[in-house]
Amino acid sequence: DAKTTQPPSMDCAEGRAANLPCNHSTISGNEYVYWYRQIHSQGPQYIIHGLKNNETNEMASLIITEDRKSSTLILPHATLRDTAVYYCIVRVSMNRDDKIIFGKGTRLHILP
Amino acid sequence: DTAVSQTPKYLVTQMGNDKSIKCEQNLGHDTMYWYKQDSKKFLKIMFSYNNKELIINETVPNRFSPKSPDKAHLNLHINSLELGDSAVYFCASSQAGYSGAAFFGQGTRLTVV
Repeated sequence: DAKTTQPPSMDCAEGRAANLPCNHSTISGNEYVYWYRQIHSQGPQYIIHGLKNNETNEMASLIITEDRKSSTLILPHATLRDTAVYYCIVRVSMNRDDKIIFGKGTRLHILP
Repeated sequence: DTAVSQTPKYLVTQMGNDKSIKCEQNLGHDTMYWYKQDSKKFLKIMFSYNNKELIINETVPNRFSPKSPDKAHLNLHINSLELGDSAVYFCASSQAGYSGAAFFGQGTRLTVV
């Protein structure tokens, strides 16, 4: 079972920042937080990941709370192409038997 | 250069047939996966292989047989196809012991009629 909880859907106006929350209250000290998205039945696409510190790349920013029990993915200037299902995942990723378990994700609608 | 490529992209076949889906990755990863996404859009892991060794088998019917000829390839063979096997199948790869991302192929949409 997925170890994360996300809202089922969210709306965001085009050009505004999209803030997608994720709860992972049972996260272990060696588990990373990953975000993927799936655009219209394409293959899931990696966005960003982090352990403790906030992270930023060309796609998004990841804010992890100090207690690591929740995080927020920020798409700074959402476009229509960002409409997708966003998955928040926790995983150790250091073991051979590591597996990426997807929950239901958040369906993000970018509104024109 | 596609990182993880699957063939075919679409597959329509009759019940009872046997079919294969192929996956190749050029990322140098040592771990590959098969996932199934059903009509309700849930993504579920089926298998993982690390350096050609089966690591994860998530209670998948034995009609499904993965084969990894080398660490860059993971094929999925399905015997005696059933209507319920209709789904999108995704291949993915990652590097064990490394906190980087897993990369997914574009999927194979299997329709059993």
